[in-house]
Amino acid sequence: DAGVIQSPRHEVTEMGQEVTLRCKPISGHNSLFWYRQTMMRGLELLIYFNNNVPIDDSGMPEDRFSAKMPNASFSTLKIQPSEPRDSAVYFCASSPGQGGNTIYFGEGSWLTVV
Amino acid sequence: AQSVTQLGSHVSVSEGALVLLRCNYSSSVPPYLFWYVQYPNQGLQLLLKYTTGATLVKGINGFEAEFKKSETSFHLTKPSAHMSDAAEYFCAVSRWDDKIIFGKGTRLHILP
Repeated sequence: DAGVIQSPRHEVTEMGQEVTLRCKPISGHNSLFWYRQTMMRGLELLIYFNNNVPIDDSGMPEDRFSAKMPNASFSTLKIQPSEPRDSAVYFCASSPGQGGNTIYFGEGSWLTVV
Repeated sequence: AQSVTQLGSHVSVSEGALVLLRCNYSSSVPPYLFWYVQYPNQGLQLLLKYTTGATLVKGINGFEAEFKKSETSFHLTKPSAHMSDAAEYFCAVSRWDDKIIFGKGTRLHILP
């Protein structure tokens, strides 16, 4: 089975540019999560969706960040405008549900903003 | 609210020695508990989890963890460390109706 698929794997962009990260969850999973990982702050949950509906976006840093899930098989995380402090690894993950269900992570999108 | 505390951001053990990574949690309801591992340049993958039933849980690669409600702990152990165990390990907690909360991680170093 295909796992969680993220694109791009690596992105280098200039400050002020728009960045769009994409995620395809595992088929049949109804929960989707976006995480950010940095050396300083560790692993942070940005937002999670259940049945395509945003449930908790309290981790989204600021208005420059937005996430959408237009259907069960696709989600985007957008940063506009990007700043150097947004440089991080962004992980998408999916799960069959909430609670005790295992979360499956993608391999991450490595973002560098210069 | 739930939370997870991992004691020690870095742990070093000699190859062949016991691995012990500590995790304490806080939860107002019976928790679900997890250990995930992250190898360099990869996403996290599940090592083991506790939901209900037997409190000693066995996972992949020879790891196991024991849920101790009285101590609110879920420590991860492996009897004999191998060089390939070098990675970052994350403890996590969730409840049946809510998101999973990760600890800050413990980086395990294996000394030859």
